[in-house]
Amino acid sequence: DTAVSQTPKYLVTQMGNDKSIKCEQNLGHDTMYWYKQDSKKFLKIMFSYNNKELIINETVPNRFSPKSPDKAHLNLHINSLELGDSAVYFCASSPLGRANYGYTFGSGTRLTVV
Amino acid sequence: DAKTTQPNSMESNEEEPVHLPCNHSTISGTDYIHWYRQLPSQGPEYVIHGLTSNVNNRMASLAIAEDRKSSTLILHRATLRDAAVYYCILMSLNSGYALNFGKGTSLLVTP
Repeated sequence: DTAVSQTPKYLVTQMGNDKSIKCEQNLGHDTMYWYKQDSKKFLKIMFSYNNKELIINETVPNRFSPKSPDKAHLNLHINSLELGDSAVYFCASSPLGRANYGYTFGSGTRLTVV
Repeated sequence: DAKTTQPNSMESNEEEPVHLPCNHSTISGTDYIHWYRQLPSQGPEYVIHGLTSNVNNRMASLAIAEDRKSSTLILHRATLRDAAVYYCILMSLNSGYALNFGKGTSLLVTP
């Protein structure tokens, strides 16, 4: 199936740990994104990334770093996890610079920091 | 960036049409109007988009006002499965075509 897939689906970890969430898309899209949805259900873009440019939302702490081994993958690495990082994280992809094309989202990773 | 305004919530009966409004009075000529929805415990899902003309697809119809300052997402026959939060978003060249979500409209469908 063509899709955006994320792993793991659920992640429970202790404060201070470092963790990664993986994302893969097989749609041939050029651009990938990470979104965070907090407990109030507000979806906020964290990063957009293609093979030429990383655009970071300025409100994202530098403990968060996207890592892209190739065009089809964009992993999210989080250092020194804090309680406030608990949220659902969504990966998405789209063709580069195309407003006349929809984004495709993954099903999300629910991160719980205890 | 141009902003959108949507009602916080709407309610519909099953098998009836639903008209979800969106105001975007500061839209610019190159902004595309996108609609997404998020079902409970799922990721956002693309519904439809348009620029100036009305659009139809298998999921919904999009009616765009002549001055483009408002649009309406039309679900022709609501089902229980259509209960979701619906987001109206302007994709702008100025923002690099980023998809910035607002609060959306929570649609409740009752049997």
